[in-house]
Amino acid sequence: EVQLVESGGGLVQPGGSLRLSCAASRFTFSGYEMNWVRQPPGKGLEWVSYISSSGTTIYYADSVKGRFTISRDNAKNSLYLQMNSLRAEDTAVYYCARSLPARNAFDIWGQGTMVTVSS
Amino acid sequence: DIQMTQSPSSLSASVGDRVTITCRASQNINNYLNWYHQKPGKAPKLLIYTASSLQSGVPSRFSGSGSGTDFTLTISSLQPEDFATYYCQQSDRTPFTFGGGTKVQI
Repeated sequence: EVQLVESGGGLVQPGGSLRLSCAASRFTFSGYEMNWVRQPPGKGLEWVSYISSSGTTIYYADSVKGRFTISRDNAKNSLYLQMNSLRAEDTAVYYCARSLPARNAFDIWGQGTMVTVSS
Repeated sequence: DIQMTQSPSSLSASVGDRVTITCRASQNINNYLNWYHQKPGKAPKLLIYTASSLQSGVPSRFSGSGSGTDFTLTISSLQPEDFATYYCQQSDRTPFTFGGGTKVQI
């Protein structure tokens, strides 16, 4: 079964850093664009970042630009999100999601990892 | 940024009902409109992509229509497993924005 599994979430103080990972399995990871999407507790979905299959094209939501960095290692079938200067409003479940080619509909999602920013 | 407005924000329905949810984009999104549903504590699931294409494995009671800025998700006969929150999303350009969600409840 095609699968994405996130890890790396946890409790961090405001201003701190965290690195999320997403491990892909049972599909050709290097052939797909990938994304991070987050969901604050009890609220809706917010797209965070996109990376092309080769890693050469990257986009961010304005709310995280300059603080978060998306990257990937196709040899390790892994996607990453480095989160710096964390704020209380970054508290959310973070999902990695695969894009349907040329459509950017998110067809495969991980189970999510919770990030809590609090002192 | 493209704003996505869903309506209604919630609705009550019964098993067997026909349900319609609408989504309006603040500008033309060239049919790059996707629909998801999400159950509590679970990841969203893709139902429809590019306005009207049914994702593999999704029951045919789900259908999508619309073009330009106005789109509709229809569930022809609501089933117990369909009680969830539904989101639209535009993927025409970044940031890939979502609608606020429609909670379908009994």
